[in-house]
Amino acid sequence: EVQLVESGGGLVKPGGSLRLSCAASGFTFSSYTMNWVRQAPGKGLEWVTSISSSGNYIYYADSVKGRFTISRDNAKNSVYLQMNSLRTEDSAVYFCARGEGPEHWGQGTLVTVSS
Amino acid sequence: AIQMTQSPSSLSASVGDRVTITCRASQGIRNDLGWYQQKPGKAPKLLIYAASTLQSGVPSRFSGSGSGTDFTLTINSLQPEDFATYYCLQDYNYPYTFGQGTKLEIK
Repeated sequence: EVQLVESGGGLVKPGGSLRLSCAASGFTFSSYTMNWVRQAPGKGLEWVTSISSSGNYIYYADSVKGRFTISRDNAKNSVYLQMNSLRTEDSAVYFCARGEGPEHWGQGTLVTVSS
Repeated sequence: AIQMTQSPSSLSASVGDRVTITCRASQGIRNDLGWYQQKPGKAPKLLIYAASTLQSGVPSRFSGSGSGTDFTLTINSLQPEDFATYYCLQDYNYPYTFGQGTKLEIK
């Protein structure tokens, strides 16, 4: 069974940093593009970033470019999202999702940016 | 970035009804479009990919159509569990973009 489990969310002050992790199991992790998608409270879905199976190709939304960094460790079946210079508008549930047309999603981890 | 315009933003319907949700892309995206269902407090669930292919395990009352810039999601014979919010997503190129969502409510 495919499982994606996010962790690392929490409360952080504006300007602070947070690192999210997504642990994958039940499939050959190294074969899949991985994504982060977020959803602000009461709002719609927003694609944040994607990383190819090898890690060679990485894409970011303009809203996070230069502040967020996606990475992966295929030996540990994990993908990460390093978030720096956080803003209040980054507050959201962050979902990890598998595939180029994301077909499996984790349950999400809540990030709250507030003073 | 490609803009996805989804309509309507909300929709009231009854059990047994047929409903249609549309997404229009600001440029051609071939058939690189997915439809997702999301219930409160839950992760999105993929229903349709490649515009018209039903994801495994999804009931056949869901169907998708379209190519290029105009796409539709149709739900035949609405069931109580179908009341949720629906999103389209273009995965034609980066940055991926979602539609604004359609909240399907019980009439």
